[in-house]
Amino acid sequence: SSELTQDPAVSVALGQTVRITCQGDSLRSYYASWYQQKPGQAPVLVIYGKNNRPSGIPDRFSGSSSGNTASLTITGAQAEDEADYYCNSRDSSGNQVFGGGTKLTVL
Amino acid sequence: QVQLQESGPGLVKPSQTLSLTCTVSGGSISSGSYYWSWIRQPAGKGLEWIGRIYTSGSTNYNPSLKSRVTISVDTSKNQFSLKLSSVTAADTAVYYCARDRRDSYGYNWFDPWGQGTLVTVSS
Repeated sequence: SSELTQDPAVSVALGQTVRITCQGDSLRSYYASWYQQKPGQAPVLVIYGKNNRPSGIPDRFSGSSSGNTASLTITGAQAEDEADYYCNSRDSSGNQVFGGGTKLTVL
Repeated sequence: QVQLQESGPGLVKPSQTLSLTCTVSGGSISSGSYYWSWIRQPAGKGLEWIGRIYTSGSTNYNPSLKSRVTISVDTSKNQFSLKLSSVTAADTAVYYCARDRRDSYGYNWFDPWGQGTLVTVSS
């Protein structure tokens, strides 16, 4: 089965830019989707496809991909962006896999 | 706006079958090219995809759970359901249902999600 690897924790100063990465072989063929999860809440989709944001997601969130690495970039991080972030992708069999999650701290 | 709501017992005994239902409101479960997925999260841990169903009844299951999982759909009730057999304490988690969309390129994403329901496996 495919695996997706994320850094467990990342920090960013308020207003600065942060990149959260996700690595896995399946990302060479399929884009990742990204989810934000705040404590006690359900995950929320923030990026899907090549670089698409659902309605209501601020444009400071963007996605990119290169080789086996997908990235979620937050440009001008805000205090409310502090959360856990998960990537997800599929394999050739159509099975979905999540990364282990990255805890983002906004300093 | 589509909303999802999980329901079912919050406590299941070891070796028994966990059963949950997800009720879809604000739209028909049969409309559009959507799949419907179950995802779980043990306390303090990451997300794990359990499986999905299309309204035709076709399914995909996580290979690590496939032998114990059954997902079904009842379009007349606008619901889909999860059954996980032979549960152990390791199956204790918050269980989420989510709409699962695949575009023409084959990329999937989950949106929206239900609020989640905690299921504890304990005697």
